[in-house]
Amino acid sequence: DAGVTQSPTHLIKTRGQQVTLRCSPKSGHDTVSWYQQALGQGPQFIFQYYEEEERQRGNFPDRFSGHQFPNYSSELNVNALLLGDSALYLCASSTRLPANNEQFFGPGTRLTVL
Amino acid sequence: EDQVTQSPEALRLQEGESSSLNCSYTVSGLRGLFWYRQDPGKGPEFLFTLYSAGEEKEKERLKATLTKKESFLHITAPKPEDSATYLCAVQSNYGGATNKLIFGTGTLLAVQP
Repeated sequence: DAGVTQSPTHLIKTRGQQVTLRCSPKSGHDTVSWYQQALGQGPQFIFQYYEEEERQRGNFPDRFSGHQFPNYSSELNVNALLLGDSALYLCASSTRLPANNEQFFGPGTRLTVL
Repeated sequence: EDQVTQSPEALRLQEGESSSLNCSYTVSGLRGLFWYRQDPGKGPEFLFTLYSAGEEKEKERLKATLTKKESFLHITAPKPEDSATYLCAVQSNYGGATNKLIFGTGTLLAVQP
């Protein structure tokens, strides 16, 4: 049983560019959450998707957007990249219910903005 | 505002030297408290979920406990392979229909042989 997968593993972009990160959830999971983890910090919640809709959003600007597909996979898009967007982007999958069940994380995508 | 504070920031132990990591939290109704292990450059690996004060869970050399204000991760006779960053996260009952996690900054554990 494959766990959560993310692609690409690493990405280097320049300021102002746009990037798309991809996530496939663990088998049987219908909910995908995205987190940003800066070096030396804990992950910060970006947003969560289930039933192909954004359900809750953290304190991130509109430059961060996402999508969930009918097969539950998800994309994170970041426009007009800033140097401060350099981080490890983590995808976590879970089932929608129960609400306090564990979330399983993928290996992450390391984004470097030059 | 919901908040998680972990201490110490870093801990160095000798192999076999037991210790505890602390996670203090303030949350608008605790739905769940989660412990994760994270190796450098990798995603967090789920360890435990605790739901109510007094609850305890164990896995190999790790034991997690929960009170109304904090959680402890006890490491008994650690081995070098236990070296990692340990992250604590909470979910609030007032998070609506989502189950977003609020993380602390983690404790970096180094176990020397």
